[in-house]
Amino acid sequence: AQKVTQAQTEISVVEKEDVTLDCVYETRDTTYYLFWYKQPPSGELVFLIRRNSFDEQNEISGRYSWNFQKSTSSFNFTITASQVVDSAVYFCALSEAGADGLTFGKGTHLIIQP
Amino acid sequence: NAGVTQTPKFQVLKTGQSMTLQCAQDMNHEYMSWYRQDPGMGLRLIHYSVGAGITDQGEVPNGYNVSRSTTEDFPLRLLSAAPSQTSVYFCASKGTSLSISYNEQFFGPGTRLTVL
Repeated sequence: AQKVTQAQTEISVVEKEDVTLDCVYETRDTTYYLFWYKQPPSGELVFLIRRNSFDEQNEISGRYSWNFQKSTSSFNFTITASQVVDSAVYFCALSEAGADGLTFGKGTHLIIQP
Repeated sequence: NAGVTQTPKFQVLKTGQSMTLQCAQDMNHEYMSWYRQDPGMGLRLIHYSVGAGITDQGEVPNGYNVSRSTTEDFPLRLLSAAPSQTSVYFCASKGTSLSISYNEQFFGPGTRLTVL
């Protein structure tokens, strides 16, 4: 069965610091998809990125970057020059090929202090 | 294009009461699902549907019923509410082009349910 582990329950940093959120996954499938979602204090879930298991290229989007490493089953998320608006709970999720739903990690609560 | 909508936003029930959480989407998505979010637990799949007339159980289906009579709507029913069902409920939908597992799930704003 698939599993997603986000070992960091809560991270607190000062604004402008860089921060990395860890995500480790387990799956027996060779085809799978990884996602990151952001949940701000208002409660909605915001899609950030999707990565498939055949694409190990890292991705950068503005201050956000993602490091996918199949060798360590990790899909880590880095925010560069963090801002107060980045404060949220971040979820990593996994979907196996043919599966019908997402398996979520327990989330990391990120606090950016001014 | 409203995306995924959920009603109500908040609800308080007494143990044993029944209610239906509504979910609708206007993106013509075939796949819809319900998740519950509990503190420190992430989101867990309750039920899902791959099209009108087709539903199946997810990870935590006990105490919940669903039906899918139209593509747009996917209501979640609690027949006899229990305090353990106090949670935030999210409905989601996604298209089925390419691989169903590939597509981004669009989430509704959530329903916060308290069972006393």
